[in-house]
Amino acid sequence: DVKVTQSSRYLVKRTGEKVFLECVQDMDHENMFWYRQDPGLGLRLIYFSYDVKMKEKGDIPEGYSVSREKKERFSLILESASTNQTSMYLCATLSRGRRHTDTQYFGPGTRLTVL
Amino acid sequence: GESVGLHLPTLSVQEGDNSIINCAYSNSASDYFIWYKQESGKGPQFIIDIRSNMDKRQGQRVTVLLNKTVKHLSLQIAATQPGDSAVYFCAENIMGAQKLVFGQGTRLTINP
Repeated sequence: DVKVTQSSRYLVKRTGEKVFLECVQDMDHENMFWYRQDPGLGLRLIYFSYDVKMKEKGDIPEGYSVSREKKERFSLILESASTNQTSMYLCATLSRGRRHTDTQYFGPGTRLTVL
Repeated sequence: GESVGLHLPTLSVQEGDNSIINCAYSNSASDYFIWYKQESGKGPQFIIDIRSNMDKRQGQRVTVLLNKTVKHLSLQIAATQPGDSAVYFCAENIMGAQKLVFGQGTRLTINP
């Protein structure tokens, strides 16, 4: 089974703090993703990475950055947290190139509250 | 692309009944589709997928139907159980892209 883990289930930070959300996967998948999920807005893609040190902006990258130094780890960084970044953050992975494996597997999510 | 709505569509069914959840997709170049289930406080979980060269695919108690003519996808859950209560998302993969596009989701509630 694919396992995607996120460093925290719940996190509370103050406005202006630097926040790191970590995601680790154990299936050697090339692609990794960060989403945020808000009521009524569904899943919105923040950033994704298709290889080590490679990253691409998603639909809402503003206020976020990412880091992919190792294949198994994809970090989301909030340089200066703001209250409008309070949300559920979901990490996902995707395997390319094999039949019936273009599926994204999600982590359990991190609920971040910025006060 | 997907539209952004303020309210999550809901569907309530009696325990034991069949349920059908619908999804419209927008891109005729999409060649792969997935249904996810998300229970409260958890990340989405893969349920079933279908490629664009198929019209129907069956799993355990679930069936996905694809109508490419009208760009419509449905998820049928047979003999619903309380554990089926969740939000269900469809997702489409546009050919050549390395990411999925997600629908808004439908909240399914099973009444005892």
